[in-house]
Amino acid sequence: AQTVTQSQPEMSVQEAETVTLSCTYDTSESDYYLFWYKQPPSRQMILVIRQEAYKQQNATENRFSVNFQKAAKSFSLKISDSQLGDAAMYFCAYRSRSGGGADGLTFGKGTHLIIQP
Amino acid sequence: ETGVTQTPRHLVMGMTNKKSLKCEQHLGHNAMYWYKQSAKKPLELMFVYNFKEQTENNSVPSRFSPECPNSSHLFLHLHTLQPEDSALYLCASSHLPPLDGYTFGSGTRLTVV
Repeated sequence: AQTVTQSQPEMSVQEAETVTLSCTYDTSESDYYLFWYKQPPSRQMILVIRQEAYKQQNATENRFSVNFQKAAKSFSLKISDSQLGDAAMYFCAYRSRSGGGADGLTFGKGTHLIIQP
Repeated sequence: ETGVTQTPRHLVMGMTNKKSLKCEQHLGHNAMYWYKQSAKKPLELMFVYNFKEQTENNSVPSRFSPECPNSSHLFLHLHTLQPEDSALYLCASSHLPPLDGYTFGSGTRLTVV
């Protein structure tokens, strides 16, 4: 079974600065997807960024980018120019490519990101 | 509004009550999911419905009973719950395969007293 570990229960960053959230995972599969989701106080899970394991290039979405190290099974999220609206819980998640996706996502415990004005 | 609507937003129930959570999506997705989110624990996948058929049941206690009458609606029927069942219950939907990812609702915050 796959596991996802987020070792930082809470992180704090000054507004406009850069912060990196860590995620490691364990799997015996070679092809899979990795995700970062954001959960603000509204409770809705919002997709921030996704990475396909067979792609070597790191995914980027505006101020959000990942550092995907497949051999190390590491998938960190970098948020540049942090904004107050980035304050939320961030979850790292894994999905197997096999099974057609019907087995859903495996999540980490989350990192609470605080933005200091 | 994300396209996945969950009701009620909050629910308080006694251990002997029977209640139901509702999830609705009109995104044309053919798979729907129930997740349980407890404090300081990873989200746990409870049930998956693919074209109205249940395809995953991760050893969830029988006091939780899912129902999927069509591909747009998903229910979670609750009866004789325990205080440790208090959590945020999230519904999600997707195409299969989920090439566009998953869309989540805002959850039902359940408190069992």
